[in-house]
Amino acid sequence: GAVVSQHPSWVICKSGTSVKIECRSLDFQATTMFWYRQFPKQSLMLMATSNEGSKATYEQGVEKDKFLINHASLTLSTLTVTSAHPEDSSFYICSARALDRASYEQYFGPGTRLTVT
Amino acid sequence: AQKVTQAQTEISVVEKEDVTLDCVYETRDTTYYLFWYKQPPSGELVFLIRRNSFDEQNEISGRYSWNFQKSTSSFNFTITASQVVDSAVYFCALSEVGTYKYIFGTGTRLKVLA
Repeated sequence: GAVVSQHPSWVICKSGTSVKIECRSLDFQATTMFWYRQFPKQSLMLMATSNEGSKATYEQGVEKDKFLINHASLTLSTLTVTSAHPEDSSFYICSARALDRASYEQYFGPGTRLTVT
Repeated sequence: AQKVTQAQTEISVVEKEDVTLDCVYETRDTTYYLFWYKQPPSGELVFLIRRNSFDEQNEISGRYSWNFQKSTSSFNFTITASQVVDSAVYFCALSEVGTYKYIFGTGTRLKVLA
């Protein structure tokens, strides 16, 4: 159990357009979802934390107006990259904490590779 | 502040050699959790182990073993008789109590040569 999916797995978009990435917990309810960004050959950097029904909390330096996060249900969170630019090209990974499991556990999605041309 | 340091950026070994990946952490919490993840070229993180701060027992799982030492704030990972399939980036992570955020180290890229 504890499967997290992401859609799409990869996306190419033109500069200036917006792209939405979905993160779903398939077999559990997620109290909290986390969004990470990973540039090539770098570590995972936490972008934001979202709790169902609440506004997301963004890490320092992350533009909340550019990276819109919605956590409308206990199984779905979305990240929308607005007015994407080539420097937003990255690997985006989500993770989720389960409502009924150990609080310290995060279950990771397979990631979404975004390329902005 | 919480911090995880993986000083080894890249390691290359020949198949069947043993290799140890180092992880040093900093935290003011008395309760915390440490993790190791493997990230193969596909990008998907693979969970390897979790250890809580009250359990200093070393653990062995097949060819993998972990050495947790609170006295030196280290949580090192050893692969015995490495195989080509072990080639990946390995991340050590620390979980913050309260926020449940994970703080990742910079990762160690392991290349196992045939």
